[in-house]
Amino acid sequence: QSVLTQPPSASGTPGQRVSISCSGGSSNVGTFTVSWYQQLPGTAPQLLIYNDNQRPSGVPDRFSGSKSGTSASLAISGLQSEDEADYYCATWDDSLNGRVVFGGGTKLTVL
Amino acid sequence: EVQLVESGGGLVQPGGSLRLSCIASGFTFSSYSMNWVRQAPGKGLEWVSYISGGSSTVYSADSVKGRFTISRDNAKNSLYLEMNSLSVEDTAVYYCARDRLIGNYYVPFDSWGQGTQVTVSS
Repeated sequence: QSVLTQPPSASGTPGQRVSISCSGGSSNVGTFTVSWYQQLPGTAPQLLIYNDNQRPSGVPDRFSGSKSGTSASLAISGLQSEDEADYYCATWDDSLNGRVVFGGGTKLTVL
Repeated sequence: EVQLVESGGGLVQPGGSLRLSCIASGFTFSSYSMNWVRQAPGKGLEWVSYISGGSSTVYSADSVKGRFTISRDNAKNSLYLEMNSLSVEDTAVYYCARDRLIGNYYVPFDSWGQGTQVTVSS
């Protein structure tokens, strides 16, 4: 059972906008910034969003992050087939002495 | 270009030991905190252990505390994970991952290695 709750799956058609939620509590999402990671099939994860809504260089602006209270969201607009992947949120948790915790992951399917 | 290359994985019996290595290149290794993150088959990501750039601060997940030891050799640009008393629950792909300061923001796991498979089975 992950400290951060993500829906196990999400789907959309090419061109659509999809959103993936990450729900936590006051000791984690409510206090610390959230990062998002994309894991394409058979590959290592890669950083997608940091500091709730910042994109590292090279990440398309189709990907955006937001946070409100104890919930964060990743939005993907103009969905493409190559966006089919697992997505994970992560942040620190005060109740775990500041260790990093991950969400359970969301498998995004492009129909 | 940042590169992280893990090695040392393999098949080990329950109760056995293994030492993972991660060789870094393309950045000043000693200036960065490093982590081990693992992923069990068909499961999500689990942070395992953290070490600061100068090795003064070390953290481990409760699931591995007392069994796994993280260390580094900055002269060799290398990160290690000594794993003892392994159980089948430790079967996973193990990734080394770098932390980074981007502007004023501390970013966990900004770069990852390709991973090394650890299988614990009799």
